[in-house]
Amino acid sequence: DADVTQTPRNRITKTGKRIMLECSQTKGHDRMYWYRQDPGLGLRLIYYSFDVKDINKGEISDGYSVSRQAQAKFSLSLESAIPNQTALYFCATSHGPGSYNEQFFGPGTRLTVL
Amino acid sequence: DAKTTQPNSMESNEEEPVHLPCNHSTISGTDYIHWYRQLPSQGPEYVIHGLTSNVNNRMASLAIAEDRKSSTLILHRATLRDAAVYYCILTILSGNTPLVFGKGTRLSVIA
Repeated sequence: DADVTQTPRNRITKTGKRIMLECSQTKGHDRMYWYRQDPGLGLRLIYYSFDVKDINKGEISDGYSVSRQAQAKFSLSLESAIPNQTALYFCATSHGPGSYNEQFFGPGTRLTVL
Repeated sequence: DAKTTQPNSMESNEEEPVHLPCNHSTISGTDYIHWYRQLPSQGPEYVIHGLTSNVNNRMASLAIAEDRKSSTLILHRATLRDAAVYYCILTILSGNTPLVFGKGTRLSVIA
C-alpha cells in the first residue's frame, strides 16, 4: 500500500464550486505539504503544516485553505474554484526536526475547473 | 532564498553517463544541495543530497565544486527509466524551510 495517498485522483468541477482534496499518510511523519504544478513548471508550495496545530502559508495560498484534522490527514480546499486553479496537486510529508527533511510525495490529484 | 539555475533540457544516450549541472552562486554556508526527480505522471522523489563532499548512493553521485557555487548530479549509466525532470534545490538539512522547486532539467534518454 502507498505511504502517501491522495483522493480523488482526478476531478472535474465547475467554476464557483467548493472542492476538497484529501491527503493521508501512514509514514508517521509530523510535516505535511500541499503543492500545485502547472504544465511545464515546477511545483509551487500552497500550504504546509509542521504538526496538527500548525498551519503556514506557502508561495501561492490565495484562494486555498487547509485543515490538518490529525497527524495523518491534511486537506486542501478550494472555497470557490476558478479555471486558473486547474492544475496537478501534490501532497507531501516529511519527518520532524532532528532528521533529514526528505519529502515523500503522493501520486497527485489532477483537478480541472471548467 | 538562495536560487539555483539549471538547463531547461538535456539529452543522453542509453547506457551512457549523464552529468546534470546546477549553479547556485548565492549558496549560504548552511544550505544543503538536494536533488529530486519527477518521473512522468508521478510525484517527485528524492535522489541525493550533500553539503561539501561528493556523495554516492545507489541512484546517483553528487559532485560539489570546492567553492560550492555549483554542483553536478551524475547518473553513471542512463536508462530509459531515468527520463524525468531533475530538480536541484537548496535548503537547510532539517530546518523549518520547505523545499522550493524551480523548473528543473528535463532529461530525455535515447535508446
